[in-house]
Amino acid sequence: EPEVTQTPSHQVTQMGQEVILRCVPISNHLYFYWYRQILGQKVEFLVSFYNNEISEKSEIFDDQFSVERPDGSNFTLKIRSTKLEDSAMYFCASSASGSSPLHFGNGTRLTVT
Amino acid sequence: KQEVTQIPAALSVPEGENLVLNCSFTDSAIYNLQWFRQDPGKGLTSLLLIQSSQREQTSGRLNASLDKSSGRSTLYIAASQPGDSATYLCATNAGNNRKLIWGLGTSLAVNP
Repeated sequence: EPEVTQTPSHQVTQMGQEVILRCVPISNHLYFYWYRQILGQKVEFLVSFYNNEISEKSEIFDDQFSVERPDGSNFTLKIRSTKLEDSAMYFCASSASGSSPLHFGNGTRLTVT
Repeated sequence: KQEVTQIPAALSVPEGENLVLNCSFTDSAIYNLQWFRQDPGKGLTSLLLIQSSQREQTSGRLNASLDKSSGRSTLYIAASQPGDSATYLCATNAGNNRKLIWGLGTSLAVNP
């Protein structure tokens, strides 16, 4: 069964550094998402992406964050200057349509020291 | 603002028991409601999706119901097995599928 893949599985970075989290969505899916989960807290929506542009973003997704689909297969989340509070599990997801179930990757655990 | 609550926070049952997990939401104007499973250190696996016009969905030993007017959904697991041990999350949205609002989950342990 096709799946969403995320790399790396764990990333450790120093405060102020830039990180890029990578995702390969399911190939025929059209909608792409990033969510995050801080340890012990609820999963939070960050951003959705459709037709090569952001369709919706949350208050969390400020100027430090950006997303890109650089080619036909990858979907990336960049954090320009990481803060301690960015430490979380970041999940990528994709869906075939706006009303179909989301398929999630296994996540990237980001640790900012 | 949509708020999603799940009770209980944790549940421990012996193998073979039928059990019910609860999810409530404050805004009944939802597009759909989804139940997910999360294993430790793993991603989120979609179990069932109920459209706002539907009352329930079934998959194997799982049955999810939706009562929009009361702002509730339940996930029924029949004949529980140790392999069902995981955290179960519900998530919903308003108006579209793009922004899911999540509960904190119910951590289920099924003991052999």
